[in-house]
Amino acid sequence: AQSVAQPEDQVNVAEGNPLTVKCTYSVSGNPYLFWYVQYPNRGLQFLLKYITGDNLVKGSYGFEAEFNKSQTSFHLKKPSALVSDSALYFCAVGSGNTGKLIFGQGTTLQVKP
Amino acid sequence: NAGVTQTPKFQVLKTGQSMTLQCAQDMNHNSMYWYRQDPGMGLRLIYYSASEGTTDKGEVPNGYNVSRLNKREFSLRLESAAPSQTSVYFCASSEQTPRYYEQYFGPGTRLTVT
Repeated sequence: AQSVAQPEDQVNVAEGNPLTVKCTYSVSGNPYLFWYVQYPNRGLQFLLKYITGDNLVKGSYGFEAEFNKSQTSFHLKKPSALVSDSALYFCAVGSGNTGKLIFGQGTTLQVKP
Repeated sequence: NAGVTQTPKFQVLKTGQSMTLQCAQDMNHNSMYWYRQDPGMGLRLIYYSASEGTTDKGEVPNGYNVSRLNKREFSLRLESAAPSQTSVYFCASSEQTPRYYEQYFGPGTRLTVT
């Protein structure tokens, strides 16, 4: 069965510092992975995806993520956090072509000035 | 383009009442999805439609039915609402099934069942 874990409910960083939001997954077969962001009272917005190819994926708003097959991880990173990055972040995983994604429980990112 | 729209934005139901959540997309996407979001549980897929004329169950389909009315519209029906269905419901669409394409989400419907 597919699963995805975001081990931290909340991540706190100071503005200007690098940030990492962790995600690990379990699937049979080759995974495809997504990061989405949700601002208060809004729907989810796509940030980036890994389907195949380079392990380092660059996305919107300066975010990037590294696919690590041996550690089954897909951590979200940004070199310099902004207060406006404060939001709820979701990792999602799928495999095959079923149309189904499994979402993690979400990590709240708090960036303080 | 409006993207993905959902109606209503808020709804309060009494136990046993029925209602239909409406979703429409104007991006000519083939695939559409219904999720529910509960605190600490992320998003869970209720039903999805890979293409017009097809629907399939997701993780938590019990108590729900769906209709893919046409390529644009995908509705979710609660026949007899229960307090356990209190949640925020999101509709999403993608060009095809998610292997290659990201999903675009609507603004959500906040449903309370008393």
